[in-house]
Amino acid sequence: AQSVTQLGSHVSVSEGALVLLRCNYSSSVPPYLFWYVQYPNQGLQLLLKYTTGATLVKGINGFEAEFKKSETSFHLTKPSAHMSDAAEYFCAVSMEYGNKLVFGAGTILRVKS
Amino acid sequence: EAGVTQSPTHLIKTRGQQATLRCSPISGHTSVYWYQQALGLGLQFLLWYDEGEERNRGNFPPRFSGRQFPNYSSELNVNALELEDSALYLCASSPGLAEPSHKTQYFGPGTRLLVL
Repeated sequence: AQSVTQLGSHVSVSEGALVLLRCNYSSSVPPYLFWYVQYPNQGLQLLLKYTTGATLVKGINGFEAEFKKSETSFHLTKPSAHMSDAAEYFCAVSMEYGNKLVFGAGTILRVKS
Repeated sequence: EAGVTQSPTHLIKTRGQQATLRCSPISGHTSVYWYQQALGLGLQFLLWYDEGEERNRGNFPPRFSGRQFPNYSSELNVNALELEDSALYLCASSPGLAEPSHKTQYFGPGTRLLVL
């Protein structure tokens, strides 16, 4: 069964600092991996996805993630945090069958001025 | 291009009542998904519809049901509401199974259901 682990339920960074949100997955087949962001009282917005091909994927708002099969990881990074990045971030893996997304528990990102 | 829309934004019901939540997918998408985001329980998959058929169901009791209409919009029904059904219900859509990007889901703003 596929599962997702997000290390750190809360991450705090200073404005302008590197953002690193960690995600590890387990999957018996090549995974489809996603990062979503959720602002307070809103739905989920797709940040980026990995399906096949290039292992470094770029998303919106300056975020990127690298798929590392050997480490079963898909960590999300951004070189310089902005106050507007404060939100909750979810890593997800798509199931082999049934298309359902399995989500991690989420990481709340706090950006300090 | 319009995104996924959901109605109502908020819904207040009492225990034992029925709730109906609605979702309109992105134009051209034929798959609709429902997820529950309850406090402390994270995001849980409820249902998946494609081309009017239920394709997959999460680990929820039968009082959670739904359907997909010919225009691909969808409805989630929750019968015999319980207090623990209070949650944000998110709808997502994706292109159909024949499309390469059929696994990419786009979410709506959600319906917040409160059961008193």
